[in-house]
Amino acid sequence: LAKTTQPISMDSYEGQEVNITCSHNNIATNDYITWYQQFPSQGPRFIIQGYKTKVTNEVASLFIPADRKSSTLSLPRVSLSDTAVYYCLVGDRGTGRRALTFGSGTRLQVQP
Amino acid sequence: DSGVTQTPKHLITATGQRVTLRCSPRSGDLSVYWYQQSLDQGLQFLIQYYNGEERAKGNILERFSAQQFPDLHSELNLSSLELGDSALYFCASSVDGQRAYNEQFFGPGTRLTVL
Repeated sequence: LAKTTQPISMDSYEGQEVNITCSHNNIATNDYITWYQQFPSQGPRFIIQGYKTKVTNEVASLFIPADRKSSTLSLPRVSLSDTAVYYCLVGDRGTGRRALTFGSGTRLQVQP
Repeated sequence: DSGVTQTPKHLITATGQRVTLRCSPRSGDLSVYWYQQSLDQGLQFLIQYYNGEERAKGNILERFSAQQFPDLHSELNLSSLELGDSALYFCASSVDGQRAYNEQFFGPGTRLTVL
């Protein structure tokens, strides 16, 4: 499985855009990039997934450059409720390796 | 609310004891996954069941076992408990654990405290 590297923590203020970058130099051709969000004492929650270029949903955007060695999760206009740990995961979307491998994640603190 | 339920919410027990954690997946989901989250180890995959059969094993100790029943609910059994087993135990479910990636939906977790 490709190893991921993310910043341990980030601070932001309400209303700002937050970009969290994840490095995955050894990403394989079949690997997809997935982000999960976890609030304290709650289970992780799927945010977004992508393979290349840009993916956007109602919660976030995911930017993936052509070499796919990194990806950036973008949270527009964060609020206090976006304070959470964000995990970047890389894995095969095909058969096998269904379990999720979580790294240390990025702890985002949003201040008023 | 993810649709995944876990009981009990909290569990306090003593070293050497045995406990059973229960998980009911979302309606229609065939795969159940168990994860352990502790302060020093982070979120770790333990085991996966698909439609009643064990599908994948992670860092699950021999003292731990799990099963998935015909109605698709799952139980995680932890025996000979040690202080280090204190953690949050999450269950997750997904529609199909065999082929294309499916988003996993996590339950609220069971907080186990071993004294």
